[in-house]
Order: sequence, then C-alpha cells, then structure tokens
Amino acid sequence: KQEVTQIPAALSVPEGENLVLNCSFTDSAIYNLQWFRQDPGKGLTSLLLIQSSQREQTSGRLNASLDKSSGRSTLYIAASQPGDSATYLCAGYNSGGSNYKLTFGKGTLLTVNP
Amino acid sequence: ETGVTQSPTHLIKTRGQQVTLRCSSQSGHNTVSWYQQALGQGPQFIFQYYREEENGRGNFPPRFSGLQFPNYSSELNVNALELDDSALYLCASSLELSGDTQYFGPGTRLTVL
Repeated sequence: KQEVTQIPAALSVPEGENLVLNCSFTDSAIYNLQWFRQDPGKGLTSLLLIQSSQREQTSGRLNASLDKSSGRSTLYIAASQPGDSATYLCAGYNSGGSNYKLTFGKGTLLTVNP
Repeated sequence: ETGVTQSPTHLIKTRGQQVTLRCSSQSGHNTVSWYQQALGQGPQFIFQYYREEENGRGNFPPRFSGLQFPNYSSELNVNALELDDSALYLCASSLELSGDTQYFGPGTRLTVL
C-alpha cells in the first residue's frame, strides 16, 4: 500500500527566499508523480507532472525532481512571492491493473511573508 | 476548452439523508475519479469511472456509489449520510486510462449535521 509523507507540515518564509518542499513515498513502483497547489477551500491546481521515465520537470520558478530508488520527490520554488502562499500537495500514481489512482500526502502549508 | 466543473458548490445535509454530487469532465476526457478530502488531510481516492464503467475503488463503503454518463459527466451518490462524511469532494478528469495529468474541479463542500 502506497503511503506518501510530506515534510514539513508548515513553512513560513520571507519574500524572495528560495525553498524546498519534500515528499517521500513507500512504494517505488510509483508510476508518475504530480505536484498540486491548493488555496483555502478550493480545488487542486496541477503544477507539475513528473513521468516515471523522467527525473525532473520545470515550469517557471518551479522545479520538481523524482528519485524513485530513494522514494523521494522535491519541489523547489525560486524567489518566493506572497502569491505562492498555499498548501502544496504531492501525489503518486500507482497502477492497479488499469486503474491509475493518486495517493496524496497531507500537504505542506506555505506562507510567504511580504 | 472548458475545465472540470462541479455542482453544487456547498451542501448541507442531516445524518441519514442521501446526497448526489455532480461533475462535468474536461472536454475530451473520458476518465473521471472522485476523491474525498477531510479537513487538514490529503484527498482520498473513492473510485474511478472509465467509459461508463467503474474502474477501481478505494476503501469506501458501498453506500458511496457512482455513475458515469455517455457524455462522460459523472455523479457521486452517498446514502445514509454520517457526520464523518463531511468533507470536500473533488472530481478529477483525465484523458484515457493513463498516468497522465488529472485535472481537478473546484470541489463540493458537504456538511453533515
């Protein structure tokens, strides 16, 4: 059974700082890994999808890496801004036959202070 | 291109009642997954529908049931509501059965009193 853990649970940083969010998973048979952003009371916004054959993906100030052998993924945010404040969730895809379901961590609550 | 939409936005029910939540998938997407997100937790997989058939289920009791229509929109039905069913219900659509990006709707906030 896949379990996903995110550390830290909460993080507060000053504006402009670079930061790293961590995600670990127990089943290395993970297929793909996706990072999401969630604003309070809202749905999930997809940030990056790292396919199993890839080691990292980049979009703007965001860079996500995936190391299946160690069971870890990181999300790097460069030059953080107050608008980045949100909960960040990582989720791994596992295939049970043809069923690709996402297993989520509990998220990291990020606060970027002006 | 229309994104994933869900209705209603908010819903208040009493224990023992039944509820139906609705989801319209993103244009061209034939796979819909439903997730339950309790306060302070990550979303938990309920089930997935592909081309109108259930294609996988998480650890939820049979009183959670679903349906997918020929236009690939979907419903989540919950019978005999319990207080612990209070949560944000999210649906996500994806293109075919693959590990590609799942796109989430804004969610339905269900409160059971």
